[in-house]
Amino acid sequence: GENVEQHPSTLSVQEGDSAVIKCTYSDSASNYFPWYKQELGKRPQLIIDIRSNVGEKKDQRIAVTLNKTAKHFSLHITETQPEDSAVYFCAASSTGNQFYFGTGTSLTVIP
Amino acid sequence: KAGVTQTPRYLIKTRGQQVTLSCSPISGHRSVSWYQQTPGQGLQFLFEYFSETQRNKGNFPGRFSGRQFSNSRSEMNVSTLELGDSALYLCASSSLSLETQYFGPGTRLLVL
Repeated sequence: GENVEQHPSTLSVQEGDSAVIKCTYSDSASNYFPWYKQELGKRPQLIIDIRSNVGEKKDQRIAVTLNKTAKHFSLHITETQPEDSAVYFCAASSTGNQFYFGTGTSLTVIP
Repeated sequence: KAGVTQTPRYLIKTRGQQVTLSCSPISGHRSVSWYQQTPGQGLQFLFEYFSETQRNKGNFPGRFSGRQFSNSRSEMNVSTLELGDSALYLCASSSLSLETQYFGPGTRLLVL
C-alpha cells in the first residue's frame, strides 16, 4: 500500500519568515494530495489540495508544489503569523477515499 | 449546512469491553471515512463507507468494524478493547471520491 513520509516533525520559524513542509509518497498511482491543519484540540481542516495534473497551486500565503517524477509534494507558507501555529498533515490518495496521512509537522511561529 | 458530528465526544472503557461510536455526515454527503489518531502514529485510515457499502479498508484487525445506514450516518464498533485502542477517533465525510473531506470533532476513547 501507499506510504507517506513527512518532514520535519517539528518546525519553528520567526513571524514573517517562510515555512516549508515536505512529503514523499510511494504509490505512483496516487493522484490527489490534500493538506490539513489541525489546531490543538480541534478537528483537521483542509487548507489546500493539489491533483496530479497540476504542478503548483497557490492560495494567498499558502502554496503547494507537486513533483510526480520524484514523488514528493511540499507545503509552503509565506509571511507566517502566530495563528499559523498548528500541526500540519499531508495526505495522498489514489482510489476512492482511502487516504494515507503523513505523521504530521508541528509548526510554531514565534512572535 | 451543519458540519460533521460525532457522538459521544469522550468515552472511558475497560479492557475487554466493546464500544460503538457514531458519525453523522454533512447533509448530502454519501462517503464516510474513519480514522484513528494517536500521538505517535498520526492519522491512520480505518475504513470508508459509501452508500452503505464498505469500499476501502485499512490495516486494522477484525475487532474494528463499521456500518453505514441509508441516511449515510455511520457507526464504528471496536470489540474486545485493548489498552492500545486509546485514541482519538475521527470521521470525515465527502460528497464524492477524491473530494474534500470534512472532519468531525472526534471521539476520544480511553481504555483502562
